[in-house]
Amino acid sequence: DAGVTQSPTHLIKTRGQQVTLRCSPKSGHDTVSWYQQALGQGPQFIFQYYEEEERQRGNFPDRFSGHQFPNYSSELNVNALLLGDSALYLCASSLAAIFKQFFGPGTRLTVL
Amino acid sequence: AQKVTQAQTEISVVEKEDVTLDCVYETRDTTYYLFWYKQPPSGELVFLIRRNSFDEQNEISGRYSWNFQKSTSSFNFTITASQVVDSAVYFCALRPSKAAGNKLTFGGGTRVLVKP
Repeated sequence: DAGVTQSPTHLIKTRGQQVTLRCSPKSGHDTVSWYQQALGQGPQFIFQYYEEEERQRGNFPDRFSGHQFPNYSSELNVNALLLGDSALYLCASSLAAIFKQFFGPGTRLTVL
Repeated sequence: AQKVTQAQTEISVVEKEDVTLDCVYETRDTTYYLFWYKQPPSGELVFLIRRNSFDEQNEISGRYSWNFQKSTSSFNFTITASQVVDSAVYFCALRPSKAAGNKLTFGGGTRVLVKP
């Protein structure tokens, strides 16, 4: 039973570029959440997707957008990258009615 | 607004010593859940324990135990007889029970270094 998977594992971009990160939830899960974890800090909630719709959103600008596909996988898109977007991006999946989230290994994004 | 504070940024102990991690939280919700997660160098967050706000019974699970005190808004976590494999960053997190989603609010984390 595969857990939460994320791709790519590492990514290097330059300021102003756009990036897409991908997440496949744990088998049987239908809800995906995204978190940003800057170096030395705790994860911060970006948004959550359920039934292909954004259900909750944290305090992040519109440059951060997402999508959920019918197979429950999800993408996180960040436009007009800033140096401050450099972080570990974590994806977590769960069943909608059950709060326990399972986290993926993350994607390390470096913006130069 | 919710807030989780972990005042200890780093703790260093020698193997077999006990380690207690402090967590203080703020929330206006009357019911909520509290969590502890472990983040090893690989980066993946590993779920350790969960506690409901209406259940203040403290428990022990293997080498892990926790002390939840609603009166002081604290949810401390103890590793007994620490091992080198316990070296990681530990996060305390909070989630309102009535929230439509699973949004977690994390503290800043405490890095634990267990020396052999």
